[in-house]
Amino acid sequence: EAEVAQSPRYKITEKSQAVAFWCDPISGHATLYWYRQILGQGPELLVQFQDESVVDDSQLPKDRFSAERLKGVDSTLKIQPAELGDSAMYLCASSFPKTSGGLSTDTQYFGPGTRLTVL
Amino acid sequence: SQQGEEDPQALSIQEGENATMNCSYKTSINNLQWYRQNSGRGLVHLILIRSNEREKHSGRLRVTLDTSKKSSSLLITASRAADTASYFCATDVKGSNYKLTFGKGTLLTVNP
Repeated sequence: EAEVAQSPRYKITEKSQAVAFWCDPISGHATLYWYRQILGQGPELLVQFQDESVVDDSQLPKDRFSAERLKGVDSTLKIQPAELGDSAMYLCASSFPKTSGGLSTDTQYFGPGTRLTVL
Repeated sequence: SQQGEEDPQALSIQEGENATMNCSYKTSINNLQWYRQNSGRGLVHLILIRSNEREKHSGRLRVTLDTSKKSSSLLITASRAADTASYFCATDVKGSNYKLTFGKGTLLTVNP
């Protein structure tokens, strides 16, 4: 069964350092999402891509976070510089939106996540 | 901001019992989805219910949706220890372009 791949699974860094996360969505999935999940909370959307274009990055802290999906396939999320408050799980998900009867139906498939700890 | 709010925040039951979790949301939706997350792992999609549906079943799962009350419930029947996980509702808000907004989740513990 196809899966969303993420790497690394764990990352420990010191504040002010740069970190990068990689995501490879399920083949053929046009939409890719990056979420941040703080311990004890639900995932919060950071950025959404449709192919190589950003659809929604309203919750992305653009002073330190950047995301790209240059060829519309895999994606990289970067944080520079990292801050203590960035410690969280970073989840990538992908979907292939389908429309049925005028209603959008969409299931997102999640990767295993990257656990970031900023010291 | 959180669109969905799950209730209760935590639930502990014995194996074989049923578990019910509730979700309330604020704005009109295209669909509502339930996801499960085992500790420290990614989320797994369980079930999707559209705004024009009232009830849906999948194996031991039963989901209801009341759009007039803006609420949904997830029932897991005959629970197993392997059902221990966090359960999240997520809403696909109308006009949001397939964006899902998650609640804070319910932590379910099923004791053997």
